[in-house]
Amino acid sequence: AQKVTQAQTEISVVEKEDVTLDCVYETRDTTYYLFWYKQPPSGELVFLIRRNSFDEQNEISGRYSWNFQKSTSSFNFTITASQVVDSAVYFCALSGSTDSWGKFQFGAGTQVVVTP
Amino acid sequence: GAVVSQHPSWVICKSGTSVKIECRSLDFQATTMFWYRQFPKQSLMLMATSNEGSKATYEQGVEKDKFLINHASLTLSTLTVTSAHPEDSSFYICSGEGQGRYNEQFFGPGTRLTVL
Repeated sequence: AQKVTQAQTEISVVEKEDVTLDCVYETRDTTYYLFWYKQPPSGELVFLIRRNSFDEQNEISGRYSWNFQKSTSSFNFTITASQVVDSAVYFCALSGSTDSWGKFQFGAGTQVVVTP
Repeated sequence: GAVVSQHPSWVICKSGTSVKIECRSLDFQATTMFWYRQFPKQSLMLMATSNEGSKATYEQGVEKDKFLINHASLTLSTLTVTSAHPEDSSFYICSGEGQGRYNEQFFGPGTRLTVL
């Protein structure tokens, strides 16, 4: 069985502060994929990143960065110098390679509120 | 990235009626499509997996006779909520997986269903 845990329900920050979203996953698959999505109030999922289990390199994309650590089964996401437009729900997701082929297991989501 | 559309984007219906939601891959062929449901302030939960030309596979707890899925072509999957009730009110999101593009899924914008 696969499981994704996002322990933080909501994080509130003031603009320009950094915010880190935690994601811990469980899977028996040796090959799997991890994702982060942003869901603004409109509801449409916005793809942020996809990472396979063999690529532990951290990644930076503009103000976004991701820290993948297989040793702790974590795939954390940091927004640097947050902006009001970053306010949304962020989901971490896992997709395996055996009986969960192609299926996404989403975490509960973390609501990020950025105030001016 | 590839584009997936959903129609309608929102629908309001009376209890007892059936509602059809379309999911189309606009610029790629989706051999597999997934249907998710998201209740307010909750995560996305996978309902079913549909493969073109074959019967859908439903997740545990999802009534296949209530949520009819048809994947008649490589670009179209439909979800019909039969005899809808207020508890079926939710946000329904589909995703398409391209041929040979394992785990590279593209999500539709979602359909908000309200059953009165």
